[in-house]
Amino acid sequence: QSALTQPASVSGSPGQSITISCTGTSSDVGVYNYVSWYQQHPGKVPKLMIYDVSYRSLGVSNRFSGSKSGNTASLTISGLQAEDEADYYCISYTTSSTYLFGTGTKVTVL
Amino acid sequence: EVQLVESGGGLVKPGGSLRLSCAASGLTFSNAWMNWVRQAPGQGLEWVGRIRSITDSGTTDYAAPVKGRFTISRDDSKNTLYLQMDGLKTEDTALYYCTTIQSGGFVYWGRGTLVTVSS
Repeated sequence: QSALTQPASVSGSPGQSITISCTGTSSDVGVYNYVSWYQQHPGKVPKLMIYDVSYRSLGVSNRFSGSKSGNTASLTISGLQAEDEADYYCISYTTSSTYLFGTGTKVTVL
Repeated sequence: EVQLVESGGGLVKPGGSLRLSCAASGLTFSNAWMNWVRQAPGQGLEWVGRIRSITDSGTTDYAAPVKGRFTISRDDSKNTLYLQMDGLKTEDTALYYCTTIQSGGFVYWGRGTLVTVSS
């Protein structure tokens, strides 16, 4: 199984909204609502942001939202802030009872 | 407060073996489904495998690149998770995290232990 596909980089200006896509197949993203998103700052441990496609983890800003359509899940960050600059990863459960991470997206705040 | 502390990393030659440990506290470890995730230097996250709680069968699942070489086990009496790594390859070089799922996501993470496979 190959990693889920994410854009290598996404950028936006402060206050703007950006969306990161996470494309899988009918064996993972398309069949389960078990997609979660993680934020990782350089040298830091990953932090859970969104679980089960669209539920925010405790303490996560409501500027972060998740959705899914078919085989593609998405993370939207609205009101972009400097502190949002980080790497973001999606992960999905699969029909093989395994998990598959996305390739990762570097978010840059211009 | 939940704490996960990995240990056991180090430098090992290709073909060698290493056992990682993850000591857990602040949670009911026996009920937890535990996972290993790794991150090669400068690269993305990769799920390695997981072990279910004993009450949920205690069975394991592995990612394709490590299946047959890595073995996950647990000792609930010691609140400790293990990752036995055999037949190590240079591409197994990574920071290895233990993490546990709650409410659908990997909520708690250790700080990781570094494994370097090199001759």
